[in-house]
Amino acid sequence: AQKITQTQPGMFVQEKEAVTLDCTYDTSDPSYGLFWYKQPSSGEMIFLIYQGSYDQQNATEGRYSLNFQKARKSANLVISASQLGDSAMYFCAMREGSNQGGKLIFGQGTELSVKP
Amino acid sequence: DAGVTQSPTHLIKTRGQQVTLRCSPKSGHDTVSWYQQALGQGPQFIFQYYEEEERQRGNFPDRFSGHQFPNYSSELNVNALLLGDSALYLCASSFLPLGAGANVLTFGAGSRLTVL
Repeated sequence: AQKITQTQPGMFVQEKEAVTLDCTYDTSDPSYGLFWYKQPSSGEMIFLIYQGSYDQQNATEGRYSLNFQKARKSANLVISASQLGDSAMYFCAMREGSNQGGKLIFGQGTELSVKP
Repeated sequence: DAGVTQSPTHLIKTRGQQVTLRCSPKSGHDTVSWYQQALGQGPQFIFQYYEEEERQRGNFPDRFSGHQFPNYSSELNVNALLLGDSALYLCASSFLPLGAGANVLTFGAGSRLTVL
């Protein structure tokens, strides 16, 4: 079974508008972390935002916010005021349990295109 | 401050050959993880090295092996290359002693391997 599901292969958004990228996850471990990374065409994965399973508030980092709905097991990324430079692949990822190491489980990604 | 650097950026091999990819972690990081990203897919965890030992391993055959050196740099070796090994190989570094939530992986731009 897929542990991270991103159901939107591609999304379009008009410049300066907000966009939500969907992510659902599956784990039986009560302790986990959720990450969003951006991958431009250059290939490098760029960290955007993190949400811990015990965090009471939704994470925010500048124009990025994470809409964390624990009961629904969803962790959607919201990008406000989209910019042309936001065009890229976006990946949702999860680290499970007490695993403090490098193992992240990634989704299939969503390709975001920002239109001028 | 240099981030994660990987070499080579691109390489072409033929089936049955062996390949070595190299990674230098971000300054201050002591843990290196390797990921394989096939075209159109999310990255998949290969293994993680800490204190010169393999600490975690994903679902990859023994043809995939690695090494970490005293300066924290790392190599990924793949023997008996198959066509299906064609992918972008990403290296990520982190500082393990931090709590899981703070253990954000910093990725390099990857090495793109083509197997003919």
